[in-house]
Amino acid sequence: QVQLVESGGGFVKPGGSLRLSCAASGFAFSDYYMTWIRQAPGKGLEWLSYISTSAKTILYAPSLEGRFTISRDNAKNTVYLQMDNLRADDTAVYYCARWGPLDYWGQGTLVTVSS
Amino acid sequence: QSVLTQPPSVYAASGQKVTISCSGSSFNTGKYYVSWYQQFPGTTPKLLIYDDYQRPSGIPDRFSGSKSGTSATLGITGLQTGDEADYYCGAWDGSLNAYVFGSGTKVTVL
Repeated sequence: QVQLVESGGGFVKPGGSLRLSCAASGFAFSDYYMTWIRQAPGKGLEWLSYISTSAKTILYAPSLEGRFTISRDNAKNTVYLQMDNLRADDTAVYYCARWGPLDYWGQGTLVTVSS
Repeated sequence: QSVLTQPPSVYAASGQKVTISCSGSSFNTGKYYVSWYQQFPGTTPKLLIYDDYQRPSGIPDRFSGSKSGTSATLGITGLQTGDEADYYCGAWDGSLNAYVFGSGTKVTVL
């Protein structure tokens, strides 16, 4: 069965960095675009980025202002989200999902940005 | 302020039908497919409807999707207490070059 497992979340101070990972299994990972979505506490869903199968096409939400970088390693069946210059409003649960449609989601990993 | 507009909440009695609207523009819902997601408190969102009206395997036919112009609708018939959740619509936005979600609608069974 399809599984997506995020990791790498935690507590970080403003201005800090974190790298999230999403390990995929149960499907041909290299055949699918992948995406990251987040949800701030008590708020709605916010799409962040997607990456194509070969990583040649990458898009980001305009609101990220270049602070996040998505990447993937098809040999490891893993997609990553490098998050730099983190701010308090980046505090959220971060989900990875299989793109087009968003048919499978991971359980999410919590990122807390606070001084 | 979400690009896609949904009512904050809808209510209906058990066994009744409820509909949730998702209003967008020619840049998103009017041009691209709409999906719907169900999320119970503290859990991961789940795909309910994709490509405006298609149901993934395992989704009961009590859930339906439709679209007319720039507005999409999720319908839930035979409402059950187990349907109490937040529901989000989503679509690609060609102007923003981003995927956008509605603000979410909380379904309450009276």
